[in-house]
Amino acid sequence: EPEVTQTPSHQVTQMGQEVILRCVPISNHLYFYWYRQILGQKVEFLVSFYNNEISEKSEIFDDQFSVERPDGSNFTLKIRSTKLEDSAMYFCASSKGQGNKNSNQPQHFGDGTRLSIL
Amino acid sequence: LAKTTQPISMDSYEGQEVNITCSHNNIATNDYITWYQQFPSQGPRFIIQGYKTKVTNEVASLFIPADRKSSTLSLPRVSLSDTAVYYCLVGDMGTGRRALTFGSGTRLQVQP
Repeated sequence: EPEVTQTPSHQVTQMGQEVILRCVPISNHLYFYWYRQILGQKVEFLVSFYNNEISEKSEIFDDQFSVERPDGSNFTLKIRSTKLEDSAMYFCASSKGQGNKNSNQPQHFGDGTRLSIL
Repeated sequence: LAKTTQPISMDSYEGQEVNITCSHNNIATNDYITWYQQFPSQGPRFIIQGYKTKVTNEVASLFIPADRKSSTLSLPRVSLSDTAVYYCLVGDMGTGRRALTFGSGTRLQVQP
């Protein structure tokens, strides 16, 4: 079964540095997402991406964050000037896209990148 | 998105059937009901999705009454490996675009 893959599995970075988290969505999926989960807390939506542009973003996704699909397979999340509170699991997800009334298009998640800011 | 309410935790034993009920009184006409499972340090894993009546796959069944104000995820004959957090989500999943809003989920603990 196709999977969403994320690299690295664990990233340790000094505060103030920039990090890039990478994701390879499922190949025939059209919609891409980033979520984060701070330890012990809920999974929170960050951003969705379709047709090479952001389609929806949350309040968390401020100017510190950016996303990019640099080629036909990768989807990246860049975090600039990292802060201690950016430490979390970051999950990438993808979905096929718009379904008709008889089909459902659930989001499929990768296993995340654990980001630790020191 | 419709607000959902589900039990914070449940305990079961291996081999038992587990039913987790989720309330979603304000579900909209276009909303689907989706359940995810999450193990520690892993991403949420899609289990099952439905709109009305009953849906069954190789992992679980989803029962949705006619008024759609609640739904029940049924896990037949659970094993220790089913210990996880289970999330009920309601929204217009049919487009595949909308941001998912996760609650705190139901923490299922399966004992030997």
